[in-house]
Amino acid sequence: DTAVSQTPKYLVTQMGNDKSIKCEQNLGHDTMYWYKQDSKKFLKIMFSYNNKELIINETVPNRFSPKSPDKAHLNLHINSLELGDSAVYFCASNLGGSSTDTQYFGPGTRLTVL
Amino acid sequence: AQTVTQSQPEMSVQEAETVTLSCTYDTSESNYYLFWYKQPPSRQMILVIRQEAYKQQNATENRFSVNFQKAAKSFSLKISDSQLGDTAMYFCAFHYGGATNKLIFGTGTLLAVQP
Repeated sequence: DTAVSQTPKYLVTQMGNDKSIKCEQNLGHDTMYWYKQDSKKFLKIMFSYNNKELIINETVPNRFSPKSPDKAHLNLHINSLELGDSAVYFCASNLGGSSTDTQYFGPGTRLTVL
Repeated sequence: AQTVTQSQPEMSVQEAETVTLSCTYDTSESNYYLFWYKQPPSRQMILVIRQEAYKQQNATENRFSVNFQKAAKSFSLKISDSQLGDTAMYFCAFHYGGATNKLIFGTGTLLAVQP
């Protein structure tokens, strides 16, 4: 049983399109995250949600809009895709709040913008 | 602001030998957590080991152990009896909870285990 799942695993699209990536966790965690891994493998936090409430927004362009319909799901919608958005996007989750409990990662979504 | 530095972009080790990956960090916090994550070619991020800053004892997980030096802000990972399956990118990460509940990653060390 997959703990943190993401769909799709691969996404190839044209510049200017709008796309979404979905994430689901079945761990009962309260907090979910989106991280971006660039072409040099550097990982950086984008957003975090705790129980459907936005906690962290790390100066990400407003073309990126996370949505959490419930605490088990965190989706990432990207408008007007640009070449520089090409990256691997990871979803993660943990117990959250002030907890420093381990974060568990999904398999990643490789986004390629042509 | 917290920062994490991994000064070894690439390392190589022979199968069955021991290798140590370095990590230093900068923080003014006293309570925090440190992690090593492994990312094999499959790109899955896998937790290797975790250390709580308030614990003096170094964490160990089978062939993986850390050397945590709080005063020096150093957190190195030792892999004993290296196996081919250990070939991966290794990321050191810092986690301070509270409002900034996020992982801050180093730039990674690509480890190649040679047969």
